[in-house]
Amino acid sequence: DAKTTQPTSMDCAEGRAANLPCNHSTISGNEYVYWYRQIHSQGPQYIIHGLKNNETNEMASLIITEDRKSSTLILPHATLRDTAVYYCIVRAQLNTNAGKSTFGDGTTLTVKP
Amino acid sequence: DSGVTQTPKHLITATGQRVTLRCSPRSGDLSVYWYQQSLDQGLQFLIQYYNGEERAKGNILERFSAQQFPDLHSELNLSSLELGDSALYFCASSVADRVESPLHFGNGTRLTVT
Repeated sequence: DAKTTQPTSMDCAEGRAANLPCNHSTISGNEYVYWYRQIHSQGPQYIIHGLKNNETNEMASLIITEDRKSSTLILPHATLRDTAVYYCIVRAQLNTNAGKSTFGDGTTLTVKP
Repeated sequence: DSGVTQTPKHLITATGQRVTLRCSPRSGDLSVYWYQQSLDQGLQFLIQYYNGEERAKGNILERFSAQQFPDLHSELNLSSLELGDSALYFCASSVADRVESPLHFGNGTRLTVT
């Protein structure tokens, strides 16, 4: 299964765009890139997913490089409520019995006033 | 609100006891997943059901079992509880058992074993 690498933490000013990077250099051709976030101890919230094309929804945009080895989640106008841990995962990881955490450690995004 | 309902929200019990966690998936979702989140191990996949049948198994202990009922709700049974079982337990559901089908998570059950 493809693994992902994300920075441990990032800061963003309120109202500015937050760009969260993710590396998934071993991704397979049929594996999707998914982004979730978790606020405090709430359940992870689905944000967006994509295979190879860029995607946009009401929450965010997902930019996937042409070689699919990395992606960027963009929150266009970050608010304080966007402060959370953001997880980038490859879909095949969601129901595997790997010994490590299924969701990895994610990026802690802190939006500051 | 994801539409996934988990009960109870909090559960406090003693070592050696048995508990049952319940999950109602989003309307129309056929697949249910269970995850455990503890402080030192992050979010771990436990088990998945699709339309009543077990589909995938993760690092689920033999003391734990689950099932999905004909009405598609699911229960996770934890027995012979140990202090280390204290964690957040999340249920998620998806429309289909397909890689392009997003998972939607409930807000979890916080289990404390004393």
